[in-house]
Amino acid sequence: AQSVTQLDSQVPVFEEAPVELRCNYSSSVSVYLFWYVQYPNQGLQLLLKYLSGSTLVKGINGFEAEFNKSQTSFHLRKPSVHISDTAEYFCAVIRGGGNKLTFGTGTQLKVEL
Amino acid sequence: DAGVTQSPTHLIKTRGQQVTLRCSPKSGHDTVSWYQQALGQGPQFIFQYYEEEERQRGNFPDRFSGHQFPNYSSELNVNALLLGDSALYLCASSLGGQAEAFFGQGTRLTVV
Repeated sequence: AQSVTQLDSQVPVFEEAPVELRCNYSSSVSVYLFWYVQYPNQGLQLLLKYLSGSTLVKGINGFEAEFNKSQTSFHLRKPSVHISDTAEYFCAVIRGGGNKLTFGTGTQLKVEL
Repeated sequence: DAGVTQSPTHLIKTRGQQVTLRCSPKSGHDTVSWYQQALGQGPQFIFQYYEEEERQRGNFPDRFSGHQFPNYSSELNVNALLLGDSALYLCASSLGGQAEAFFGQGTRLTVV
């Protein structure tokens, strides 16, 4: 079985400050890794994905994440956040060769002035 | 490209009733997955349809059933609704075996 742990349920940060949202996964096989963002009353939008290759992945809106196999982590980072980044962020995995996404419980990012 | 579209956006049902939710996948996509997102939780996988057949199923009771049509659109049916079925139901589409999935805006179901 695989699971996804998002260690922080809420992360408050001031505008223009850097932020890191943490994600750890457990799986005995290879995985594909994703970060999705959800704005209030909306569906999920893909921020970035790791399928293979370079462990540093760049996504939309200035976000990036690094796949660390030894630590089974896929933390999301942004060097300077904006008010518009306030949203819920979900880390998700697909077991290699599988089809279903397994999501973490989400991290609420709140950007303050 | 309209992306993934779901209908209706909101609905309210009474316990014991049945409900049908609909999803049209992104143009060119042939695989549809359904997820349930309870308040304050991450989405939970219900099932996935490909070539009009259920390809994989999550840990949901048989009250949850689905269908995929020849045009790849899909329906999610829930029978004998319980209060605990209140949630945001998300549809995601993808192409064949590709991992990247695109989500719709969801249907907010409230059971009273």
